[in-house]
Amino acid sequence: ETGVTQSPTHLIKTRGQQVTLRCSSQSGHNTVSWYQQALGQGPQFIFQYYREEENGRGNFPPRFSGLQFPNYSSELNVNALELDDSALYLCASSFDGLYYEQYFGPGTRLTVT
Amino acid sequence: DAKTTQPNSMESNEEEPVHLPCNHSTISGTDYIHWYRQLPSQGPEYVIHGLTSNVNNRMASLAIAEDRKSSTLILHRATLRDAAVYYCILSPTGANNLFFGTGTRLTVIP
Repeated sequence: ETGVTQSPTHLIKTRGQQVTLRCSSQSGHNTVSWYQQALGQGPQFIFQYYREEENGRGNFPPRFSGLQFPNYSSELNVNALELDDSALYLCASSFDGLYYEQYFGPGTRLTVT
Repeated sequence: DAKTTQPNSMESNEEEPVHLPCNHSTISGTDYIHWYRQLPSQGPEYVIHGLTSNVNNRMASLAIAEDRKSSTLILHRATLRDAAVYYCILSPTGANNLFFGTGTRLTVIP
């Protein structure tokens, strides 16, 4: 069974740029959720994709967008990067939108300068 | 979203049981209680969840108060690998996401 993988591991971007983060879900899972974790804080829900459709969104502006592909992998796109976007971005996969047993990847550390 | 209150930090000796408390006085009847933990430099890891009855799995036990206003995660025998931040989360039935607080940082002393 393959776990959740994310790429890249680390990324440095400049304010105003755009970034794409990638996530491969665990084998057999069709749901991907994205979270943002600032230093010293718990993860905050960005949105969830279920069968290629957005299935819920947290309190994040539209410049945070995503995609899910037929193989259930997913991308998180952030436009017009701001300094406050510096965080660990976590992807979690689950089956059929189940929220109580989500499997998280190791995250992508994004630094915006 | 219903709020949970956890101590910021706790310490335990290795090989002893650990009881991690969580208060959730505003819990509603449809809220599940979830516990996740986050080891250093890793993503969160599912530990256990329950609704009303106590639950056991290979990682831990979850004891839920009769009025459901509090719960306790029990690690039966702490190991150094259990050092992590433990999150107690409430989420209603049918919700598609988890709202994490700041959790309890558990230190395990050899």
